[in-house]
Parts: sequence; C-alpha cells; structure tokens
Amino acid sequence: GQNIDQPTEMTATEGAIVQINCTYQTSGFNGLFWYQQHAGEAPTFLSYNVLDGLEEKGRFSSFLSRSKGYSYLLLKELQMKDSASYLCAVRRTGGFKTIFGAGTRLFVKA
Amino acid sequence: DTEVTQTPKHLVMGMTNKKSLKCEQHMGHRAMYWYKQKAKKPPELMFVYSYEKLSINESVPSRFSPECPNSSLLNLHLHALQPEDSALYLCASSQALANKETQYFGPGTRLLVL
Repeated sequence: GQNIDQPTEMTATEGAIVQINCTYQTSGFNGLFWYQQHAGEAPTFLSYNVLDGLEEKGRFSSFLSRSKGYSYLLLKELQMKDSASYLCAVRRTGGFKTIFGAGTRLFVKA
Repeated sequence: DTEVTQTPKHLVMGMTNKKSLKCEQHMGHRAMYWYKQKAKKPPELMFVYSYEKLSINESVPSRFSPECPNSSLLNLHLHALQPEDSALYLCASSQALANKETQYFGPGTRLLVL
C-alpha cells in the first residue's frame, strides 16, 4: 500500500521561516517531489530528493530521510506570494508512477 | 526552456461530443503524463507515456483515450464524457539525469462537461 501524510493547513508570518512536513509509507521508493500550487493554477516544480540530506535552492530547501520515510520543505523569508498549497509527491520504483499527498495550504499573514 | 504547453485552456462539452486535449513540450523529455485534478484535491495520475509508448494506465475509463504522436506531443481524446469528468486536466513531462529528476506541468485544460 501507499500512504502520504501532510498537515492540512499552516499559517505563518511574513518574513518568518516555515517547515512543511511530509511522511510517507510506500512499497518501492524512488524519490520525492515538492510542488507549489496557487489556486486555479498548475503545480510548479520546487524540488526532487532521492538521496538523504538537505538540498537548498534560494529561499526554499528540501530535506529527505529515507530510513524515516520523512521529508520537509523549508521556506525562509516568507513573502505574501508564498501563500499557496504545497504538494508532496512520491515516485515509486519500476516506472514513472507519482503519487501525491493531499497538500498543505499555507497562509502567509502580514 | 521549462515550458509545457496545453490547448485549449478551457473546454465546455456535452456528453455526446468528441474533443481532444493537446500537450506539447520541447525539453527533450521522454516521459509524458496526463493527470486529472478536481477542486481542492491533489492531481491523480491517469496515463504515462515513456519513449512514446503507453507505460501506465491507471484503470482510466475508455471514454478517455491517450495518444502520443511523437516525443514532443501528447493528446487526450475525449468521448461520451460524464458531468463528473469535469476537472482540470494537467499534462506533465519529466527527465531523470543521475540522481536528479524534474517534472514540469503545463497550465492545464479546465474541462466542463454538461
């Protein structure tokens, strides 16, 4: 079976740091994606991790621990435009199947 | 260029109509995908093409028929759809190099079935 869990909603303040967690259970793991999706728009690719560790890309960083089935997306220096849904998605081995979590709606307040 | 394009942006069709959604990418990606997304839900995988061959069909009803004419194009043919098929249809393409993979989505086609 497969299970991906993310918090449903989070609220943070402009200029602050927020960490969005994702835990997963899957038979056959081949990487984890993070996407940002604004309401009414398509998902935008943020990151892909397949090895343990932290990858930094500007204000956004993504971390993976394969042994714990755990990832997080870290957003620094939050801006109002970061208000969006953040989707964690797991790639399974043996092909191109990608399963999405339900997403975390992030609200950034002034 | 990280662009995936989709046409049309919006589509309204009756249950007896036949229509097609089109997707194009010029990034040289060899995997292309169709996803369906309902409001406030995550994308659900429908089909995957790898090197122009159908690799995954997630038990999608036959009223949805995918086609991959070449490595840059992906179509989704629609026939006899139901109102519950109304959704945002997203095309995506991906490329894996070493331990890096990128998957980009097109802007989607918002479909309303009456």
